[in-house]
Amino acid sequence: DQQVKQNSPSLSVQEGRISILNCDYTNSMFDYFLWYKKYPAEGPTFLISISSIKDKNEDGRFTVFLNKSAKHLSLHIVPSQPGDSAVYFCAAITGYSGAGSYQLTFGKGTKLSVIP
Amino acid sequence: KAGVTQTPRYLIKTRGQQVTLSCSPISGHRSVSWYQQTPGQGLQFLFEYFSETQRNKGNFPGRFSGRQFSNSRSEMNVSTLELGDSALYLCASSLGVLATQETQYFGPGTRLLVL
Repeated sequence: DQQVKQNSPSLSVQEGRISILNCDYTNSMFDYFLWYKKYPAEGPTFLISISSIKDKNEDGRFTVFLNKSAKHLSLHIVPSQPGDSAVYFCAAITGYSGAGSYQLTFGKGTKLSVIP
Repeated sequence: KAGVTQTPRYLIKTRGQQVTLSCSPISGHRSVSWYQQTPGQGLQFLFEYFSETQRNKGNFPGRFSGRQFSNSRSEMNVSTLELGDSALYLCASSLGVLATQETQYFGPGTRLLVL
């Protein structure tokens, strides 16, 4: 059973417009969420994160929104640029705020294509 | 089943030195990934090994290297340490080869302080 779901395998957006990538989760024990960007043949690159005690976190062009009641996470990229074209992974952690080991679960990714 | 173990838990080094960190995955797991965690940069992917082969590498300088042994245990080496290398180094193991496609289990980490 997939605990972190990215239901859109791909998304195309015009340059300059907003890109919205969505992520749903089922495990209410997740207490920290991350977004990673991945280019072909490279490992994932951390983008932005949010703790479960917040509902929004901004970093430059990237904003992550968390709706705990809906178990929904979204990443907004404004404005979108061609260099943003990559696969975006949503990830969630249980036990982040505790000591010791925790689990990190990734979604399957959404391929974003930003068209010039 | 024992979890992911990392040794040492804490380490203090000086600039210019080199360090080797060790990770033992969960029994049966063949994939080991390494991450660097800092307050400013969050969790950054270093590299991923599967069956003794490096499958993925993050955007880190060549001073960071790793290897995996036939028993799936992995080591990470950082040479010519810099102050900015001070961080929590996390190891994670998973069953299959594509760590981002399934759940990874993290160890407690090695906290490295470079003076």
